[in-house]
Amino acid sequence: AQSVTQLGSHVSVSEGALVLLRCNYSSSVPPYLFWYVQYPNQGLQLLLKYTTGATLVKGINGFEAEFKKSETSFHLTKPSAHMSDAAEYFCAVSDQAQTGANNLFFGTGTRLTVIP
Amino acid sequence: DGGITQSPKYLFRKEGQNVTLSCEQNLNHDAMYWYRQDPGQGLRLIYYSQIVNDFQKGDIAEGYSVSREKKESFPLTVTSAQKNPTAFYLCASRGTSGYTGELFFGEGSRLTVL
Repeated sequence: AQSVTQLGSHVSVSEGALVLLRCNYSSSVPPYLFWYVQYPNQGLQLLLKYTTGATLVKGINGFEAEFKKSETSFHLTKPSAHMSDAAEYFCAVSDQAQTGANNLFFGTGTRLTVIP
Repeated sequence: DGGITQSPKYLFRKEGQNVTLSCEQNLNHDAMYWYRQDPGQGLRLIYYSQIVNDFQKGDIAEGYSVSREKKESFPLTVTSAQKNPTAFYLCASRGTSGYTGELFFGEGSRLTVL
């Protein structure tokens, strides 16, 4: 069965500092992994996804994530935080079990605060 | 532009009342989903539908009902049997690209029980 763990429900960084949001997954099959961002009172927007091929994936707004099979991780990074990056971030893994749901399993989210 | 429209954005309900949240998509997606979001708990799946006239319970279906009479529409009814309905509700859809396809989300509906 697939599952996702996001370490740290809250992360604070200074403006201009490195952003690192951690995600570890559990999957019995090669995973398909996603990062979403959510601004207050809005829906989720896709930042990036890993399916196959290159393990370093680039997304929107300068974010990227690296799939590391040996560590079962898919951490999200951005070299320099902007105030506009303050939001909640969700890691998700695709449901490839034979449930028929064609669903995504989400982590519990990490709220990013950017300090001026 | 293609997308998912949820309405209403905010909804207040008295205890004992049923309410229906609307979800419409023009992405021509087959699969549609309803999630509930509570602080610190991430997204939990309520119901999903892979095709018209068919839907399945998710992890927290008790107290909710859905219908899928049209491909574009997947309304969610929060019934009086739902013990703690105050939450943020998100509708999503997914195309037919299998497990690699991402979910597209609406803007959400916030339900408050008075």
